[in-house]
Amino acid sequence: SAVISQKPSRDICQRGTSLTIQCQVDSQVTMMFWYRQQPGQSLTLIATANQGSEATYESGFVIDKFPISRPNLTFSTLTVSNMSPEDSSIYLCSVERPRGNTEAFFGQGTRLTVV
Amino acid sequence: AQSVAQPEDQVNVAEGNPLTVKCTYSVSGNPYLFWYVQYPNRGLQFLLKYITGDNLVKGSYGFEAEFNKSQTSFHLKKPSALVSDSALYFCAVRISDSWGKFQFGAGTQVVVTP
Repeated sequence: SAVISQKPSRDICQRGTSLTIQCQVDSQVTMMFWYRQQPGQSLTLIATANQGSEATYESGFVIDKFPISRPNLTFSTLTVSNMSPEDSSIYLCSVERPRGNTEAFFGQGTRLTVV
Repeated sequence: AQSVAQPEDQVNVAEGNPLTVKCTYSVSGNPYLFWYVQYPNRGLQFLLKYITGDNLVKGSYGFEAEFNKSQTSFHLKKPSALVSDSALYFCAVRISDSWGKFQFGAGTQVVVTP
């Protein structure tokens, strides 16, 4: 199974600031995905990150608020910009299982609290 | 549009009793269905999936799920629950041609009491 490392695991941030979350995978993967889990809620897909191209955002999410980088096949970052308390969530990255198998792996998540 | 519904916010069961977590789906085309579990302060862990083939799918930690096309359901089951099974369970459906894009259900909190 793929090993996914997310940093930081948690953070408390002031409103109006930005936080960059890192996701490192131990093998090369084509697609990486970022999800948000608001308190007491399910997971919602933010965007898909492909190496060498701009991320594809889901409805309700925009690049200015959640810029994503994907510099290589093992790494991605998600930035939560100009944060407000409504951004307090768990942010998770996930990857397709290598070699085209059919389940995804998830990182441990980043628990963000905006005060 | 693909979607899944988990009608129960919480399921309470005594240790040793059977556990069932319900999931119904609505998809166009072939349904690719998954169950994930989330323990406190941890990411999601894959339990099992239905892609094709046998309707009864066996997964990790003694869990299984039955795909029922006529009832559009994919209920998760375990014959004998353990206290350590207490966690948040998510049903999910693939929403594109990518194996990493899911529509998740709302989640069901399972509480197993000793």
